[in-house]
Formats: sequence, C-alpha cells, structure tokens
Amino acid sequence: DQQVKQNSPSLSVQEGRISILNCDYTNSMFDYFLWYKKYPAEGPTFLISISSIKDKNEDGRFTVFLNKSAKHLSLHIVPSQPGDSAVYFCAASQLWTNAGKSTFGDGTTLTVKP
Amino acid sequence: DAEITQSPRHKITETGRQVTLACHQTWNHNNMFWYRQDLGHGLRLIHYSYGVQDTNKGEVSDGYSVSRSNTEDLPLTLESAASSQTSVYFCASSEFWKGEQYFGPGTRLTVT
Repeated sequence: DQQVKQNSPSLSVQEGRISILNCDYTNSMFDYFLWYKKYPAEGPTFLISISSIKDKNEDGRFTVFLNKSAKHLSLHIVPSQPGDSAVYFCAASQLWTNAGKSTFGDGTTLTVKP
Repeated sequence: DAEITQSPRHKITETGRQVTLACHQTWNHNNMFWYRQDLGHGLRLIHYSYGVQDTNKGEVSDGYSVSRSNTEDLPLTLESAASSQTSVYFCASSEFWKGEQYFGPGTRLTVT
C-alpha cells in the first residue's frame, strides 16, 4: 500500500512557463509535507515544505499548495528554468509522532526545454 | 561547513559476502536514515535511528542491519549480499522533530 503517490513519472515544459508537479497521499495522519529535488549522481536536496495547518507556502519561484480534503499537494515552479530539470520527490511525515521519519513518492522527472 | 558523507561511492561485491556502507554526518543531528533507490521506485526506508543506541526497521529491512554507537555514524551492513540488493543507497540525517532531511551523495552497490 503506497501511502504517497506521484502519478506522473515525467513532465516536460518550456522554459519560462509554469511547471506543476502533483502528489497524492492516503494517510490522513500525515501532518508535514516536503519536496526534494535530485540531480543525477547526487543525493536529494530539500526544496520546500508545508505544515498541515497551512494551505500554501512560497519560496521564491517555488510554491507548494496543500488540499487536505483531497489529500493532494502540488509544487508550482514559476518561471521554469533549464536548471530546474531534475527528479522531484514528494514526501510526507507524521512530524509529532514519528520525529522526522518520512514516506517518499516515486518521483517525477521534470525536463525544462530551452 | 557541516556535511554528510558516504563511503565508498561505488562498490562491486559478490553474492554471499558481507558488505558495510559507511555514513558520517557532522550536523550533530539525532536522526539518521538509510534508503535505497531502485529504478522506477522512490526512496525506500531500510533502517533509521533517533539517537545513540537506538535503531529501528524500515519498510525494506530484511537482509540489512545498522548500529549506532555515536551521534555521527550509522553504518549499514548487508549480512550476505544478494543480487536483489544491487541498488543506490542514500544516507540522510535530520534534527529531532524536524522534517527536512540532509542527504549524502549516495553509494552505488552492485552485487554480482
């Protein structure tokens, strides 16, 4: 039973346009959600997070939206740049019961074309 | 600067051999995690630790073990390597009660 799902294995967008990456979860006990970015031959790096008490969090070109009723979150990148081409992982945790342990989705490969 | 390192970066071993992958962090984080990443899969949790002498099984712990004797290190041991354990292994650390994890560069392990 996969608790965190990223249903789109890949996404291709034009430079300057918006990239929208989606993530669904099944466990209503998750209270903290994160996005990580991974380049080939490197470890994932933390990108942005959101607590379940919020529905939106922004950091520069990156915005994460959380819809708790739909158990859905999305990452918006505006404008997209070629350097954003990477694998993006969604992760979810029960922060106050599991002290930082996260469950990861399978990832979405984003390609931004110049 | 604080960092998290893994060694070796690449390892080829034979079926049945014992293998240990090292993970060392200088963040002084309480939490440490081991994941494996296979093609078409995300990061699957093998083992994790919330502090010295604490270890816990993740979702894919069979055939793996860890021990935590200090804050900085969490070595991962494959007791008897199998071809199904060919994968890329990532170590990560985080502060207690913090969701953000800091990952090492990974170890690519091939079991022949």
